[in-house]
Amino acid sequence: DSGVTQTPKHLITATGQRVTLRCSPRSGDLSVYWYQQSLDQGLQFLIQYYNGEERAKGNILERFSAQQFPDLHSELNLSSLELGDSALYFCASSVGGTGYQPQHFGDGTRLSIL
Amino acid sequence: GENVEQHPSTLSVQEGDSAVIKCTYSDSASNYFPWYKQELGKGPQLIIDIRSNVGEKKDQRIAVTLNKTAKHFSLHITETQPEDSAVYFCAASRPSNTGKLIFGQGTTLQVKP
Repeated sequence: DSGVTQTPKHLITATGQRVTLRCSPRSGDLSVYWYQQSLDQGLQFLIQYYNGEERAKGNILERFSAQQFPDLHSELNLSSLELGDSALYFCASSVGGTGYQPQHFGDGTRLSIL
Repeated sequence: GENVEQHPSTLSVQEGDSAVIKCTYSDSASNYFPWYKQELGKGPQLIIDIRSNVGEKKDQRIAVTLNKTAKHFSLHITETQPEDSAVYFCAASRPSNTGKLIFGQGTTLQVKP
């Protein structure tokens, strides 16, 4: 058990809808990362938050947004969903927000768009 | 741009044999290289990592080697066991104020009993 909790485990919805994925980091970790895993793209970095502030952005679509709350949990919001958004979404956390910091992953949310 | 190439994509070994997975990175500024193991239905689990000021690191049956000149690092698993069967990912990050990881495409390791 990594200590990173993601909910829900599975999400099935339709095109055009909006969903929210939730992540609770390990106790003591200030940084939260979101990654997307698909068969053709592998694991892709989306966005990082550190202590409530956005720290880095990767290949995140404008339809996607995230935030980190004062209690350090994070939410990833996906809107105007398309079939191609079907993927596994992972959250990871680390103590600090810079390089050299081991990241620990949750078990992901599987998003299926019908 | 930043890129990490991982080979092979699949690897099948007999129990007790060694397995080697290789990665090459493009960004010469990269200085942190973790390896993750992902089992079916689970998230990636950190198994070992190495920093650029170290050439080799070992943890029981697992070792990682780094060649900064060639921009190449490898995962070595000795005395493989069926429970080592999983997908393995290498990753790299550069010194910055972020922890962004660039991942390789993954290697599916099958250890046959």
